[in-house]
Amino acid sequence: GAVVSQHPSWVICKSGTSVKIECRSLDFQATTMFWYRQFPKQSLMLMATSNEGSKATYEQGVEKDKFLINHASLTLSTLTVTSAHPEDSSFYICSASFGVGDQPQHFGDGTRLSIL
Amino acid sequence: QKEVEQDPGPLSVPEGAIVSLNCTYSNSAFQYFMWYRQYSRKGPELLMYTYSSGNKEDGRFTAQVDKSSKYISLFIRDSQPSDSATYLCAIGFNDMRFGAGTRLTVKP
Repeated sequence: GAVVSQHPSWVICKSGTSVKIECRSLDFQATTMFWYRQFPKQSLMLMATSNEGSKATYEQGVEKDKFLINHASLTLSTLTVTSAHPEDSSFYICSASFGVGDQPQHFGDGTRLSIL
Repeated sequence: QKEVEQDPGPLSVPEGAIVSLNCTYSNSAFQYFMWYRQYSRKGPELLMYTYSSGNKEDGRFTAQVDKSSKYISLFIRDSQPSDSATYLCAIGFNDMRFGAGTRLTVKP
């Protein structure tokens, strides 16, 4: 079945550093990938939609300069949290859909980000 | 009003019970309905999706959609401890909207 791989699964870093999270579609080409954020015991919140070869579309309230998204190929999208602070600590999850037309999203296993 | 309403539970049942999970939605424009299962500290796993009213069955899982009532359900038969997870309903595809998720515990 479709597999979405996310790396790293867990990262701890100091406040002020930038952190890059990778999302790969392993056995299919993903024109569109999605980035979500999830707080404990809450549902997923869509941050941005990433389209290969074009600028990402950010949801209202999400700082595009804070959360940089690059979708340079059909199998890789990256999310960089710039100058991370403790309030950026969260569970970040990517997803991708494959095939033509409407298809459901398949999710990676998430990245737990802890900013000290 | 949220676009997708889902009772967050928690829901606790004995092993072997039939589990019923439900969501309501407000926007009739959405045509696709999904159920995801999320284990702790993992990403959501797609269980089932459908785009029409009626039932769709896959093993012990049955998804039910009633578009006239804007109501979707997931039934789990012969529930197992391994079914213990958070179940998320979702509507739409590229503009997916999630319910809050229902935390289910199946006790041996």
